Amino acid sequence: NAGVTQTPKFQVLKTGQSMTLQCAQDMNHNSMYWYRQDPGMGLRLIYYSASEGTTDKGEVPNGYNVSRLNKREFSLRLESAAPSQTSVYFCASSVGRPKEETQYFGPGTRLLVL
Amino acid sequence: DQQVKQNSPSLSVQEGRISILNCDYTNSMFDYFLWYKKYPAEGPTFLISISSIKDKNEDGRFTVFLNKSAKHLSLHIVPSQPGDSAVYFCAAGGGYNKLIFGAGTRLAVHP
Repeated sequence: NAGVTQTPKFQVLKTGQSMTLQCAQDMNHNSMYWYRQDPGMGLRLIYYSASEGTTDKGEVPNGYNVSRLNKREFSLRLESAAPSQTSVYFCASSVGRPKEETQYFGPGTRLLVL
Repeated sequence: DQQVKQNSPSLSVQEGRISILNCDYTNSMFDYFLWYKKYPAEGPTFLISISSIKDKNEDGRFTVFLNKSAKHLSLHIVPSQPGDSAVYFCAAGGGYNKLIFGAGTRLAVHP
């Protein structure tokens, strides 16, 4: 049981380049999430998917798109990277019900945009 | 405006003593709260949670206290161990699995 996996672990991009961050979970969870972590800001929700086939915006969705490819996989795409998107990105998943169910996080992707 | 605040960016405690990490929130609609622990280069891991219908929840060395009238919760670690050195995030939820996280408190437990 790998839990939540993320690829790549680290990426350097130039301003304007695009990339997709991949996330997969093997816990048969219904809900999946993308967060970004910045110094002094905690974790902020970018997008989430309550169940397969649905996606919704979180606190900071601008500049990102997501795809819930199937129940296991949830990808985050940066179409035109900007230096402000330099951050550590975490994917998480949860059962979905009850709402108090904890979220399980992946190891993170460190992204540097030059 | 931050809905969940951890006002102490860092805390240093001697091994064996009590560590108390604090968290304040502003949204009275939050009805459950969680603490996560994060080591460098790893994702956050769940530590302990509390529902708004309770005022205390214990799990081994970890206890979370909730004061709804003050919109304040705290995490107590007794006794503190060097392996507890990490960043601790407070999180609050009120909607469908959507959590709001605080900025984190870095705990250092020294021998």
